[in-house]
Amino acid sequence: GAVVSQHPSRVICKSGTSVKIECRSLDFQATTMFWYRQFPKQSLMLMATSNEGSKATYEQGVEKDKFLINHASLTLSTLTVTSAHPEDSSFYICSARLAGGFSSTDTQYFGPGTRLTVL
Amino acid sequence: GEDVEQSLFLSVREGDSSVINCTYTDSSSTYLYWYKQEPGAGLQLLTYIFSNMDMKQDQRLTVLLNKKDKHLSLRIADTQTGDSAIYFCAESNSSASKIIFGSGTRLSIRP
Repeated sequence: GAVVSQHPSRVICKSGTSVKIECRSLDFQATTMFWYRQFPKQSLMLMATSNEGSKATYEQGVEKDKFLINHASLTLSTLTVTSAHPEDSSFYICSARLAGGFSSTDTQYFGPGTRLTVL
Repeated sequence: GEDVEQSLFLSVREGDSSVINCTYTDSSSTYLYWYKQEPGAGLQLLTYIFSNMDMKQDQRLTVLLNKKDKHLSLRIADTQTGDSAIYFCAESNSSASKIIFGSGTRLSIRP
């Protein structure tokens, strides 16, 4: 089946630094990737939709200048948390949608998540 | 707007059946999903159902959909300790659109 990886799986950084999280579709091409954020014991909140070669579409309330998304290729999207603060600590999960038209509902494959801790 | 609701906790005895319930508000929902998340891990798609179906069974999993009441349930037969996880109900109105998740139901298994 389709596999999505995230790197790193866990990162601890100091307040004020920037952190980049990578999301890769390993065995398929993804025209669209989604970035979610999950707080402890809460559901996933969609942050943005990333389309290859174009600007990401951000959900209401998500700061696009703080959460920079780049989808430079059909297999890679990156999320950069700029000037991270402790309140940005969370579990970030990406998903990738199979390109090329697909009848199955299982078109979004989720990565294993990245746990960000900002000190 | 779109909303998906589910109870936060469920405790069942090992070997019994677990039934996790979910309600949603979007009448244009076309795809309804159940995802499983184990501690510290990403989401695993367990099963899904199209809105024109009433029931879908896949081994120990049975999904029931009452479209009129916008109610979805997941039944896990013969619940095992490995079924301990958070189960998310989710919906989307197309395979290409964003998925709206419920808050998740934490399933715990007691001996």
